[in-house]
Amino acid sequence: GDSVTQMEGPVTLSEEAFLTINCTYTATGYPSLFWYVQYPGEGLQLLLKATKADDKGSNKGFEATYRKETTSFHLEKGSVQVSDSAVYFCALSEDSSYKLIFGSGTRLLVRP
Amino acid sequence: GAGVSQSPSNKVTEKGKDVELRCDPISGHTALYWYRQRLGQGLEFLIYFQGNSAPDKSGLPSDRFSAERTGESVSTLTIQRTQQEDSAVYLCASSLVADGRAPYNEQFFGPGTRLTVL
Repeated sequence: GDSVTQMEGPVTLSEEAFLTINCTYTATGYPSLFWYVQYPGEGLQLLLKATKADDKGSNKGFEATYRKETTSFHLEKGSVQVSDSAVYFCALSEDSSYKLIFGSGTRLLVRP
Repeated sequence: GAGVSQSPSNKVTEKGKDVELRCDPISGHTALYWYRQRLGQGLEFLIYFQGNSAPDKSGLPSDRFSAERTGESVSTLTIQRTQQEDSAVYLCASSLVADGRAPYNEQFFGPGTRLTVL
């Protein structure tokens, strides 16, 4: 079945460092891909998404490019801030499905 | 506007007891989803409601789990005879619709109910 694999955390970075969180997926069709973020004490929020190959999703300085050839959707940010500390979830949904299939989440800790 | 709300925020119960978890979706959202997040794991889909259509219960882990929704309003997830492995955060989400028409299928999540079964 469909699945999402993302790098284990925690990822600890200093402020202004470059961030990459890897995400790869397995799907039978042509899924839409998502990154969700969960800040401490808050609910999951959609961070960005891409619905077809080579699309780039971006929001709040974060970017991810839908790479069909490598079945990947890695999350990047050029300069992280302390306020980016959160848990990040990669997810997919098939075109014909409403269900979100999530990775296990990656905790990011940004130190001042 | 108001987001998805869930209650209670925390629930501690004894093994074998029944629990009810409540979800209030965003007004006007026709689709409602329940997910479960076990410690250190990703979210698992449990059940989905879309308007008056029959719910998709394919993610429910056992017949001890059930959920109801009246129209396009509140939903209740019930777990009977709770077991320790039911301990998790239960998340509810809603969306305008539930097909492939972005952005209408974007799911908005509530803060979750943390269930602890002793």
